[in-house]
Amino acid sequence: GAVVSQHPSWVICKSGTSVKIECRSLDFQATTMFWYRQFPKQSLMLMATSNEGSKATYEQGVEKDKFLINHASLTLSTLTVTSAHPEDSSFYICSARPGTESSPLHFGNGTRLTVT
Amino acid sequence: SQQGEEDPQALSIQEGENATMNCSYKTSINNLQWYRQNSGRGLVHLILIRSNEREKHSGRLRVTLDTSKKSSSLLITASRAADTASYFCATHPRDDYKLSFGAGTTVTVRA
Repeated sequence: GAVVSQHPSWVICKSGTSVKIECRSLDFQATTMFWYRQFPKQSLMLMATSNEGSKATYEQGVEKDKFLINHASLTLSTLTVTSAHPEDSSFYICSARPGTESSPLHFGNGTRLTVT
Repeated sequence: SQQGEEDPQALSIQEGENATMNCSYKTSINNLQWYRQNSGRGLVHLILIRSNEREKHSGRLRVTLDTSKKSSSLLITASRAADTASYFCATHPRDDYKLSFGAGTTVTVRA
């Protein structure tokens, strides 16, 4: 089946530093990938839609200069949390669809970010 | 945005019992999907039901959809300890390509 790989699975960084999270579709091409944020015991909140070869589409309230998204190839999207602060600590999950817009999403295993 | 509401928020059952959780939504949809999330992991797709379908089965899973009431249910029969997880419904609105996830139901299956 379609596999989405996310790396790293966890990262601890100091306040003010930047962290890059990678999301790869291993056996299919993904022109679109989605980045979510999840707080403990809560649902997924869509942050942005990553579009291959063009700018990402950010959801309302998500700072595009803080959460930089790059989708340089059909199999890789990256999310960079710039100048991280403790309030950015969260679980970040990416996903992609191997088929049409109506087909299910395949998720990476998530990245637990802790900013100290 | 989050348009799905799920209940109950949490459910604790004995192994072998059935678990039922419900999802309500607000807008017209193309399909509704159920996902499972084990603690600290990504989501895994379980089942997709289209707006013109009323019931769908997959192994021990049974999903119903009532578009007139804008609601869906997920039934897990003969539950196992391995079914312990959070379950999310997600709707695919007619006028949007983005999925909208519900708040989730946390299921604990006691051995």
